[in-house]
Amino acid sequence: AQTVTQSQPEMSVQEAETVTLSCTYDTSESNYYLFWYKQPPSRQMILVIRQEAYKQQNATENRFSVNFQKAAKSFSLKISDSQLGDTAMYFCAFMNGSGNTGKLIFGQGTTLQVKP
Amino acid sequence: DTAVSQTPKYLVTQMGNDKSIKCEQNLGHDTMYWYKQDSKKFLKIMFSYNNKELIINETVPNRFSPKSPDKAHLNLHINSLELGDSAVYFCASSPNGMGNTEAFFGQGTRLTVV
Repeated sequence: AQTVTQSQPEMSVQEAETVTLSCTYDTSESNYYLFWYKQPPSRQMILVIRQEAYKQQNATENRFSVNFQKAAKSFSLKISDSQLGDTAMYFCAFMNGSGNTGKLIFGQGTTLQVKP
Repeated sequence: DTAVSQTPKYLVTQMGNDKSIKCEQNLGHDTMYWYKQDSKKFLKIMFSYNNKELIINETVPNRFSPKSPDKAHLNLHINSLELGDSAVYFCASSPNGMGNTEAFFGQGTRLTVV
C-alpha cells in the first residue's frame, strides 16, 4: 500500500522569504504522480503543482517549485518570495499511474503561517 | 460559474438522522469522488465513480451510500448518523481519473452530528 508522510505539522516563514515543506512517500509502483494541494482557511482545495514520476526535471509553477528525489522517495515543495496569501495548510498527495482510478492518497498536511 | 458545487455547505443534524449531500460538476468530467476530512484535517477517499459506475469503494460503513444519477452528479446519502461522522466532506471531479489531469474539488460540506 502506498503511504505519504509529512513530518512537519506546522511551519512559519517571514514574508518575502523562502520556505521548504517536506514530503516522503512509499510505493513499489514505477508509474505515479505526486501533487501539492493548498487548503486556505476558506477550505477550498487548490492544486499547487504536479510532478510525473517519469520526468526527471523538477516541476515549477511561478514561485512554487519541487525537489523530486525519486530514489529517496522525497517530494519537497519550495515556496519563494512568500506572500501573506500563501498562509494555508499544504497537503502532499500520491496517485498511482496505473488503473486510472484517480485516487489521491494524502499526507497529514503542514500548516504554513506567513508572517508580515 | 462554480465548477464543482456541493450543497449544503454546512449541515448540523442529530444522531440517528438520515441526510444527503449533493454534488454537481459542470466540467464535463467522467470521474467523480467523495473524500472525507476528519477533525485532524486528514483527507481520505471514500468513493470514486467513473461515468456513473462505482470504481472505488474504500472501507466505509454501509450507512454511506453514493448515488450517481448521471455523470455530472454524485450524491452522498448517510443513514443513521453517528457522532463520528462529523467531518468535512469534499466532492471532486477529474476528466478521466488519470494523474496527468487535474482534480477539481468542491468547497466542502461541514457535517456536524450532535
